[in-house]
Amino acid sequence: ETGVTQTPRHLVMGMTNKKSLKCEQHLGHNAMYWYKQSAKKPLELMFVYNFKEQTENNSVPSRFSPECPNSSHLFLHLHTLQPEDSALYLCASSDGTSGDNEQFFGPGTRLTVL
Amino acid sequence: SQQGEEDPQALSIQEGENATMNCSYKTSINNLQWYRQNSGRGLVHLILIRSNEREKHSGRLRVTLDTSKKSSSLLITASRAADTASYFCATDASGTYKYIFGTGTRLKVLA
Repeated sequence: ETGVTQTPRHLVMGMTNKKSLKCEQHLGHNAMYWYKQSAKKPLELMFVYNFKEQTENNSVPSRFSPECPNSSHLFLHLHTLQPEDSALYLCASSDGTSGDNEQFFGPGTRLTVL
Repeated sequence: SQQGEEDPQALSIQEGENATMNCSYKTSINNLQWYRQNSGRGLVHLILIRSNEREKHSGRLRVTLDTSKKSSSLLITASRAADTASYFCATDASGTYKYIFGTGTRLKVLA
């Protein structure tokens, strides 16, 4: 399998649930990203990991918890979410070693919080 | 404040026509990228232009960059129905791994 994959593709959860989103990249990249895309809003960068170290946390609420066990895998753990957290969550990866960071995106997870 | 802003927000053209989208940004950049997104899917990288470049071509795509005006344009020539998508510009403000995306231009190409 090539590129960036995300699972699940769709997720419906209640506000008291705990769930995790998974992202895997097969491109040999060193940097991975989580973005949130809500309707009629710019794509919001949430977290950046470079060589497994978190280099960016864009003031994201603690109910979102990222985990990067290795350069190929990235998780987003979710707990006690709010309805306004419903959005498309996109994972991306990039080379991480050059200044031209072309990002490769996964298909996204459509999250609905009831 | 938002780093990248595209205009127009929406554009509807006939197949075969050219489509032009613009992006403005606020701070100095190292490079600017354009991405395409089909409805509800991930973004696909189209083209990257460095701050010391003024124009770049890739197939039917032509990108210009004017750093003095802090603006870029994406031209799609001889558009096709398959070009129907949202187009985003992304800029890196400080040469880090942090890219800021605009709200995008929704392009509809009518067959």
